[in-house]
Amino acid sequence: QVQLVQSGAEVKKPGASVKVSCKASGYTFSSYYIHWVRQAPGQGLEWMGLINPSGGSTNYAQKFQGRVTMTRDTSTSTVYMEMTRVTFEDTAMYFCARGQGLGARLPAGYWGQGTLVIVSS
Amino acid sequence: DIQMTQSPSSLSASVGDRVTITCRASQSISTYLNWFQQRPGKAPKLLIYSASDLQNGIPSRFSGSGSGTDFTLTISSLQPEDFATYYCQQSDSTPWTFGQGTTVEIK
Repeated sequence: QVQLVQSGAEVKKPGASVKVSCKASGYTFSSYYIHWVRQAPGQGLEWMGLINPSGGSTNYAQKFQGRVTMTRDTSTSTVYMEMTRVTFEDTAMYFCARGQGLGARLPAGYWGQGTLVIVSS
Repeated sequence: DIQMTQSPSSLSASVGDRVTITCRASQSISTYLNWFQQRPGKAPKLLIYSASDLQNGIPSRFSGSGSGTDFTLTISSLQPEDFATYYCQQSDSTPWTFGQGTTVEIK
């Protein structure tokens, strides 16, 4: 069965970097986009960007350009989301989600369990 | 960016009620509209994709309609497990954008 298992919670100081992983299993890793979506406490959903595991191309929301990098490791079927220079406003639950194929219009039908990132001084 | 506006922001309903949530896009998105359910502390769950297609495993009491800029999610007979927050989301273009959410509460 399709599974996306994310890394554990992180606590970071302002200005630090955080790297969250999302390990995929149960399907052909390179055949489906992975998206990252975050949710601040009590707030709605915010799309951060996507990575095409086949080749590694990325598409980031402008808000995160220059501060977020999405990468993949095909040998372990794992996708990573690294955010630099975190601020208190980056405190949120971060989700990875699998698209229904290779196409940005295809919806995200499988989601990871979420990784809580807390930015605190 | 395409703005997605949901209404209402919240509603109170009873088990067995018919519930309708609307979503409006700031520009035409054809039928690239998806609906998600999110329970507290859980990841979003895809209910409806392409405006009206039911995701595998989702009960048939959920249905979606619309195209262009106006869309609707309907729950035909509300069940106890349906009390949650619902989000619409457009996938016509990046950045993907979500509505602000509609919380369905028990009356």
